[in-house]
Amino acid sequence: AQSVSQHNHHVILSEAASLELGCNYSYGGTVNLFWYVQYPGQHLQLLLKYFSGDPLVKGIKGFEAEFIKSKFSFNLRKPSVQWSDTAEYFCAVIPDSWGKLQFGAGTQVVVTP
Amino acid sequence: GAGVSQSPSNKVTEKGKDVELRCDPISGHTALYWYRQSLGQGLEFLIYFQGNSAPDKSGLPSDRFSAERTGGSVSTLTIQRTQQEDSAVYLCASSLAGAVNQPQHFGDGTRLSIL
Repeated sequence: AQSVSQHNHHVILSEAASLELGCNYSYGGTVNLFWYVQYPGQHLQLLLKYFSGDPLVKGIKGFEAEFIKSKFSFNLRKPSVQWSDTAEYFCAVIPDSWGKLQFGAGTQVVVTP
Repeated sequence: GAGVSQSPSNKVTEKGKDVELRCDPISGHTALYWYRQSLGQGLEFLIYFQGNSAPDKSGLPSDRFSAERTGGSVSTLTIQRTQQEDSAVYLCASSLAGAVNQPQHFGDGTRLSIL
């Protein structure tokens, strides 16, 4: 079945550490890729998106993601995390021309002071 | 401006009862989506409305689930004869149009608990 896979369910790291969250998808053809974040007690927010062009996309709060077509991957990175980055992160794909998102299972990130 | 509004924020009901969940999209947004977030299943697409087109119901898990969107604005998700596995957070999102380059804005969700 077509899917979106996130490699880690839980990540715990210290402030100032670097973060990389893996995301792979199995849809063929043109895909539209997203990372969403859900901070504790808040609604889902768009972190960044990729539709076409430069495969390295920059989002809010210092996050970036790289689309590697040959690997069907869209990994999220941040060079130096802060305590306020504690949240759940969801990779998502829109695999066709319509807007329904297919989400990964999410990665819970905890940043310790 | 106002975001996507969902009500109620929490709903506790007994197994077998019907429930209605409401979503008020951002004004002017023609596309509206329902998703479900549950333990073990993650975030699942349920149904998608775009303007006056027939809705995409491909994500609805059973015929106990239905949704309507009146006047192209407010949407109601109805679950009949609720089961314990229906317990989840039901999220609504809207976007300016159904095109992929229009970001989806999510509400805070309705947390549904079936006793």
